[in-house]
Amino acid sequence: LAKTTQPISMDSYEGQEVNITCSHNNIATNDYITWYQQFPSQGPRFIIQGYKTKVTNEVASLFIPADRKSSTLSLPRVSLSDTAVYYCLVGDTAGTASKLTFGTGTRLQVTL
Amino acid sequence: GAGVSQSPSNKVTEKGKDVELRCDPISGHTALYWYRQSLGQGLEFLIYFQGNSAPDKSGLPSDRFSAERTGGSVSTLTIQRTQQEDSAVYLCASSPRTGINQPQHFGDGTRLSIL
Repeated sequence: LAKTTQPISMDSYEGQEVNITCSHNNIATNDYITWYQQFPSQGPRFIIQGYKTKVTNEVASLFIPADRKSSTLSLPRVSLSDTAVYYCLVGDTAGTASKLTFGTGTRLQVTL
Repeated sequence: GAGVSQSPSNKVTEKGKDVELRCDPISGHTALYWYRQSLGQGLEFLIYFQGNSAPDKSGLPSDRFSAERTGGSVSTLTIQRTQQEDSAVYLCASSPRTGINQPQHFGDGTRLSIL
């Protein structure tokens, strides 16, 4: 089971870049790394997924070092609406779904 | 297009009663998941329907919990003889293909309160 560890909370000002790091020391060869965002009273929303190196989409970038034991979600120029909880999830296609442990996530607070 | 729909959005019931929670996944999505989220906590996996294969029930906390998925579409999570510790938000998610690696699309959950 690839347990993940994230900071409990982070604070940022609007317009700054925010980097949230997730540790997953026991990640398996076939595991992918997926990040979700959750607003209050809503279900999580998929942000980005990657296996190695760097992945970028219209909302975020995901950096994964060669050993894959950690990953960093990068949110460029955050706004107040990025205030949410961010979850890192590690899992593979062959594993049982009981590996799907979201953990407590990182609560990001963005202020003016 | 329509997202994952869950009903009811809120449910209050007395301890010992049975409850049924419904999930309408995105049309055509093969995989369906149920999670439980207690206040201020992360998501706890409950059950995973993977297309025509047998569901993965490894997350169900007790035999009071069961789930069905009829016709590969709508799913119902049933909790029998509810207890106060069952109070939580129950989230459903679906994905286009099987494989827990696939990005999941979540509904907004059913908030269950056991008095």
